[in-house]
Amino acid sequence: RKEVEQDPGPFNVPEGATVAFNCTYSNSASQSFFWYRQDCRKEPKLLMSVYSSGNEDGRFTAQLNRASQYISLLIRDSKLSDSATYLCVVNNRNAGNMLTFGGGTRLMVKP
Amino acid sequence: DTEVTQTPKHLVMGMTNKKSLKCEQHMGHRAMYWYKQKAKKPPELMFVYSYEKLSINESVPSRFSPECPNSSLLNLHLHALQPEDSALYLCASSQDLPRGGLQETQYFGPGTRLLVL
Repeated sequence: RKEVEQDPGPFNVPEGATVAFNCTYSNSASQSFFWYRQDCRKEPKLLMSVYSSGNEDGRFTAQLNRASQYISLLIRDSKLSDSATYLCVVNNRNAGNMLTFGGGTRLMVKP
Repeated sequence: DTEVTQTPKHLVMGMTNKKSLKCEQHMGHRAMYWYKQKAKKPPELMFVYSYEKLSINESVPSRFSPECPNSSLLNLHLHALQPEDSALYLCASSQDLPRGGLQETQYFGPGTRLLVL
């Protein structure tokens, strides 16, 4: 089982749609969770950290479910510029707390 | 300023060449990282430096040799690479290494796209 699993997609959605991505992680001792965004041929950029209580940043909402070892990202009112790969990232307690990246979920927002 | 810079942006090298990748950050971060990313795959950790000392080497072949001349700079020296080493090499930095299970946010540079012929 992979440490961090994501549906690779692609998710093809129209502008204005709401889309949700899920991510599961295998190490129950993980404590830090992030969503990064990576555009084609660019570096990953931090989108948001994920807190136990859930957090929202504009159109983006992240949720953490520790019992199910599950993280989600909800994007409301999708824009063309949201098209990217979204990487779920978790700290790996078995590897010096270094980050482990999921394989990414590709989102394509169409006009 | 959350900027990490990397040079060169692109690099083409033969299998007998020696080259170096450079990374710089001026955020006062004490932890710096090298990642390798193949197409359509997530980044894979190669090396971690903390306070200019090598902290983690993820069993990377010796043809990759990291160096941290000072707290702002991180180099990756390349020698006798193989075509399968072609990838995007990403540098990242964070305020410090993770402590107590909590991970500091990592900021990535734009990467060096390497092609080994």
